[in-house]
Amino acid sequence: DTAVSQTPKYLVTQMGNDKSIKCEQNLGHDTMYWYKQDSKKFLKIMFSYNNKELIINETVPNRFSPKSPDKAHLNLHINSLELGDSAVYFCASSQSGREQFFGPGTRLTVL
Amino acid sequence: QKEVEQDPGPLSVPEGAIVSLNCTYSNSAFQYFMWYRQYSRKGPELLMYTYSSGNKEDGRFTAQVDKSSKYISLFIRDSQPSDSATYLCAMSAPGSARQLTFGSGTQLTVLP
Repeated sequence: DTAVSQTPKYLVTQMGNDKSIKCEQNLGHDTMYWYKQDSKKFLKIMFSYNNKELIINETVPNRFSPKSPDKAHLNLHINSLELGDSAVYFCASSQSGREQFFGPGTRLTVL
Repeated sequence: QKEVEQDPGPLSVPEGAIVSLNCTYSNSAFQYFMWYRQYSRKGPELLMYTYSSGNKEDGRFTAQVDKSSKYISLFIRDSQPSDSATYLCAMSAPGSARQLTFGSGTQLTVLP
């Protein structure tokens, strides 16, 4: 029974394309996050939603747009993909900002 | 200067050794401290969660927080090859979101 799941696991696409990554959590948590992990393994927060409301929006290009249809889902849409967007994207969830639990990641490669 | 500094390693130890992993930080507002373990091509897995200063023990793992020195540690006793992974420290300040600020991770290899 996966707690935080992401799809797809791998995403290979051409520069300029638009793609989406989906995340679902079955932990009943009220807060969800998107992180980006670069090639040096550094994890950086991108967005956070609490009860479907955006509460963290770090300095991320506006080509990245999160969307939370409900508390259990947080999707990430990326427009006009660039080479520098290649990374692993992790979704996480927590209850009121306490311990965060991470999904398995989506490895995005932009060619 | 980064908010959270962590020695990236790599660190290699023989099986059975005691491992010490450390992070320093600059933001005195941090109150919640975590250690995550990340195996290759997997998501970070929460190992330890501590609030404010003090020690917390869970099996072979002990987390220590020294807020006066802005220094946190993770000790692994009787290390096993299965402990080989990247260990990430993370911390957050009080607030509704409590966004995590991560260290860059220490790559650990336990040799059989």
